[in-house]
Amino acid sequence: QKEVEQDPGPLSVPEGAIVSLNCTYSNSAFQYFMWYRQYSRKGPELLMYTYSSGNKEDGRFTAQVDKSSKYISLFIRDSQPSDSATYLCAMSSYSGGGADGLTFGKGTHLIIQP
Amino acid sequence: NAGVTQTPKFQVLKTGQSMTLQCAQDMNHEYMSWYRQDPGMGLRLIHYSVGAGITDQGEVPNGYNVSRSTTEDFPLRLLSAAPSQTSVYFCASKIGLAGGPRGTGELFFGEGSRLTVL
Repeated sequence: QKEVEQDPGPLSVPEGAIVSLNCTYSNSAFQYFMWYRQYSRKGPELLMYTYSSGNKEDGRFTAQVDKSSKYISLFIRDSQPSDSATYLCAMSSYSGGGADGLTFGKGTHLIIQP
Repeated sequence: NAGVTQTPKFQVLKTGQSMTLQCAQDMNHEYMSWYRQDPGMGLRLIHYSVGAGITDQGEVPNGYNVSRSTTEDFPLRLLSAAPSQTSVYFCASKIGLAGGPRGTGELFFGEGSRLTVL
């Protein structure tokens, strides 16, 4: 079983819809959770960062962590065609990500239809 | 600032050939790393460096060499290319092992190098 599971999609929704992207994980040592966004033919870029359980909001984006269920989510409100990208969850036991890198999910390909 | 710059963007090799993927960053980051991204596999760490002169292996190091003679550069060498090394390679850097100004340990990625081995 992979440490981080993420549905690869594609997930296709109409513009303006609320999008929910999710990851599950098995390593209870993970405390730091991130979402990276990757546009086609580009490198990933950090979108959201959260520590431990709870919610964090940034504009149209909300990151949610439920450590008891080992489940993290990213919600996108009022989705726009420019949100079309691959979203990768990533996690670490260390606040700075540690030396041996983050553990990434496979990424969910999101398509927002105009 | 250019950020993280990777060259070449595209490369086709024959089995057994060797080549070097170049990575340079202008952010004075201590930490640099190489990932490969394959369909259905996600991002996997190949090698990383926590500073000039210091390198270590990641999850999938076999068939690759790295060195770090300067803070700015972190080349990845394929010694004898194999079809299994067909992938998109990303170089990424961060300020250091600590969290940085925002405490996130944000990784900054290059745009990737697409390698095909025939």
